[in-house]
Amino acid sequence: DTAVSQTPKYLVTQMGNDKSIKCEQNLGHDTMYWYKQDSKKFLKIMFSYNNKELIINETVPNRFSPKSPDKAHLNLHINSLELGDSAVYFCASSRTENIQYFGAGTRLSVL
Amino acid sequence: AQSVTQLDSQVPVFEEAPVELRCNYSSSVSVYLFWYVQYPNQGLQLLLKYLSGSTLVKGINGFEAEFNKSQTSFHLRKPSVHISDTAEYFCAVSDPSGNTPLVFGKGTRLSVIA
Repeated sequence: DTAVSQTPKYLVTQMGNDKSIKCEQNLGHDTMYWYKQDSKKFLKIMFSYNNKELIINETVPNRFSPKSPDKAHLNLHINSLELGDSAVYFCASSRTENIQYFGAGTRLSVL
Repeated sequence: AQSVTQLDSQVPVFEEAPVELRCNYSSSVSVYLFWYVQYPNQGLQLLLKYLSGSTLVKGINGFEAEFNKSQTSFHLRKPSVHISDTAEYFCAVSDPSGNTPLVFGKGTRLSVIA
């Protein structure tokens, strides 16, 4: 069973479209995260949720809106996609001692 | 604020040779330290972690790292690398006060040459 699963794995879309990425974890963790990995492989936190509540919201355009329907899910919705949004997006979760488990990533390409 | 510096962006090494990937961090508080590995087109996998206790930590796939508080370093080592170790390696730091986001270094690309 995959611990942290993201869908879709690949997402190709046109500028201006709205898209969502889903994340689910079956580890029973309370905290979930979204990270963005740019073309130079640099990883940076976007959002952090604990028990469905937003804890951290880094400097991210408000076109990005996370939603956590329950502790096991943290979805990422992106409005009005731009070329610069092209990246790999990783979901992660953790419980104690901040040992984070990552999903396989979603490669978003905006054309 | 915490930060992580990985001094080498690329490290080529011959198969069966030893390797060290360097990581330095800055933080005004105590830290948790991690090394993650990313194989091509895959997610991040935890290699090892330092939370407390012994400064020498052993991880998966024969890797180990040593926490050096005075030098604020957490270098990753392996005595003999394999072709399959070719990947991107990320050092990360977090605040031990709670489940806080990881702050990553920019990564080191390890290329093992046959």
